[in-house]
Amino acid sequence: DADVTQTPRNRITKTGKRIMLECSQTKGHDRMYWYRQDPGLGLRLIYYSFDVKDINKGEISDGYSVSRQAQAKFSLSLESAIPNQTALYFCATSDWGYRGGTDTQYFGPGTRLTVL
Amino acid sequence: EDKVVQSPLSLVVHEGDTVTLNCSYEVTNFRSLLWYKQEKKAPTFLFMLTSSGIEKKSGRLSSILDKKELSSILNITATQTGDSAIYLCAVEAAGAQKLVFGQGTRLTINP
Repeated sequence: DADVTQTPRNRITKTGKRIMLECSQTKGHDRMYWYRQDPGLGLRLIYYSFDVKDINKGEISDGYSVSRQAQAKFSLSLESAIPNQTALYFCATSDWGYRGGTDTQYFGPGTRLTVL
Repeated sequence: EDKVVQSPLSLVVHEGDTVTLNCSYEVTNFRSLLWYKQEKKAPTFLFMLTSSGIEKKSGRLSSILDKKELSSILNITATQTGDSAIYLCAVEAAGAQKLVFGQGTRLTINP
C-alpha cells in the first residue's frame, strides 16, 4: 500500500462549487503539505501543517482552506472553485526533525482537478 | 523572497548521452538543497545536499552543491529512456521549515 494517498485522483467540477481533496498518510510524519503544480511554474506551496494544531499559509493560500483532522489526514478545500484553480494538486509529508532537521518530502500520487 | 531557478527548462538528448541540469537559488540562511524526479505523477526523492555533504552519487546520477555560486548541478551519465522525467530542485532555508521549488527541467531521452 502507498504511504501517501490522495482522493479523488481526478475531478471535474464547475465554477462556484465547493471541492474537498483528501490526503492520508501511514508514514507517521507530523508534517504535511499541499502543493499545486502548473506547467512551467513548478510546485507552489498552498498550506502546510506541522502538527494537528499548527497550520500555516503557503505562498498561494488565497481561495483555499485546509483541515488537519488527525496526524494522518490533511484535507484541502476550495470553497468556491474557479477555472484558474485547474491544476495538479499534490499532498506531501515530511520527516523534518526526525533526523536532526533536514527536510525530505514524500509525495502522494496527485489529484488532477479541472474547474469548468 | 526566496527563489529557485532551474535551467534549461527543457532538454532533449539521445540515449547514451550525458546531461547536466542546473539549479541556482537565492535563499536566506540556506539549509539544504534537494533533487526530485517526477515521472508520471508524484515526485520521488533523489538527493539531499547540505553544507556537510556537498556531493552525492547514486549509480549514473550525481549531484554537486556549490555554496559559493549558490547553485547545484545534477549529472546523468549514459542516459536511458527511463531517465525521461521532470527533474525538480528545491531549497530549504533554515527557520523557514518548508521547501521552495524551482520550475523543473523536462528531460526527454530519445532511443
